[in-house]
Order: sequence, then C-alpha cells, then structure tokens
Amino acid sequence: AQKITQTQPGMFVQEKEAVTLDCTYDTSDQSYGLFWYKQPSSGEMIFLIYQGSYDEQNATEGRYSLNFQKARKSANLVISASQLGDSAMYFCAMREGNLGNTPLVFGKGTRLSVIA
Amino acid sequence: ETGVTQTPRHLVMGMTNKKSLKCEQHLGHNAMYWYKQSAKKPLELMFVYNFKEQTENNSVPSRFSPECPNSSHLFLHLHTLQPEDSALYLCASSGYAGLGDTDTQYFGPGTRLTVL
Repeated sequence: AQKITQTQPGMFVQEKEAVTLDCTYDTSDQSYGLFWYKQPSSGEMIFLIYQGSYDEQNATEGRYSLNFQKARKSANLVISASQLGDSAMYFCAMREGNLGNTPLVFGKGTRLSVIA
Repeated sequence: ETGVTQTPRHLVMGMTNKKSLKCEQHLGHNAMYWYKQSAKKPLELMFVYNFKEQTENNSVPSRFSPECPNSSHLFLHLHTLQPEDSALYLCASSGYAGLGDTDTQYFGPGTRLTVL
C-alpha cells in the first residue's frame, strides 16, 4: 500500500486565488512528521512546511498552510494568493517514528500551474 | 539559499564510463542521503549515511557505490550504468537535534544524469 497518496496529478489555479493540494498518508506509528516540498523545473526540492503528528495547531509559513486532519490522515497544502512563481511540482512526504535522520517517503506529486 | 551543493549539475556518460557525483552540505548536519528521481515515479531513497556510517542501502545495484568521507561530503561513484539509470539524482542532509526536532531534510539542486 502506498504510504503517501497525492490524487491530483495536475492542478490549475488563477493568479491571486487560493489552491488546495491533497495528500493522504498511511502509517501505524503514533509519532510521525509530514512535509511539503516544491520542485521547480530546475529540479531542486525546496522545503515549504512541516507538521508534526502531535502538533495541535495547523502549521503556517507565509502563504503556505497545512490543513492537518489526523483522524482522516490527511495533510493538505493550502497556498493562498497564488503567484506565477508558484508553478511547480509539489510533493508531500512523511517521516515515520521519532528517531532521527529517518528517510522520507514521498508521494508522486502534483503539478501546479498558475494562470495569469 | 541552499546549504547543499551538488556537482556536476548535468552529466552525460556512456555505459562503460566511470564517473562520480559530489554532494557537499554546509549546514552542520550529521546525516546525508542519496535519492533517485526517475520520470513519472516518486523519489526513491538509495542510501543513508549517519555520522559517516551507511545506515541504509535500499537494494541499490552495485554499479552505484556511495562514499562518505566525512559528515559534510557525500559521493556517488558510477560505473557500467544502464540507460534506465538516467534520472535526477538528489542529495539531501538533515541534522536531528533530539526529540521534538523536525528533522527536516534539505536538498541540493540535483545532478541530471543521462546514460547513453
């Protein structure tokens, strides 16, 4: 079974509007971390936001927020006020357990295109 | 600003060549990772090094040989590769500081490898 599922291969959003990118995860661990990364066409994976399994508040970083619904095992990324530079691949990833330096498991990604 | 650098950024090699990919992190981290990103596939973990010791080898063929001389440098030695090894190779580092730390991985820009 897939650990991270991103059901939207591609998304379009109008500039200045908000967009939600879906991510569901599967783990039996109580302690885990969820990450979102952005990958422009240049290839670099850019860290955006983190949510810990014990965090009660949804994480926010500037225009990025994470809609964390633990019971549903979902960790959707919300980008507000989309900009043309937001066009990229977006990956959801999970670290299981609370040991350090644990590899991440990635989803297949969602390609976001922002339209002027 | 990226604290993880990778060279070369692009590499074209024949199946009989031997080449090496280099990764360097300037973040004071103690773990380094190699990931492979093929077209239309999720990122795949290849190797993990913690404090210079290899702690994970994700069933990678022996034509890929990692080397970690210190916590700041990571190499991937390539020999007798196949065309299906063409991919983006991403290096990452993290520095787990103890319970509660996010253990975020920071990625380099990647090396785009083409095997002819």
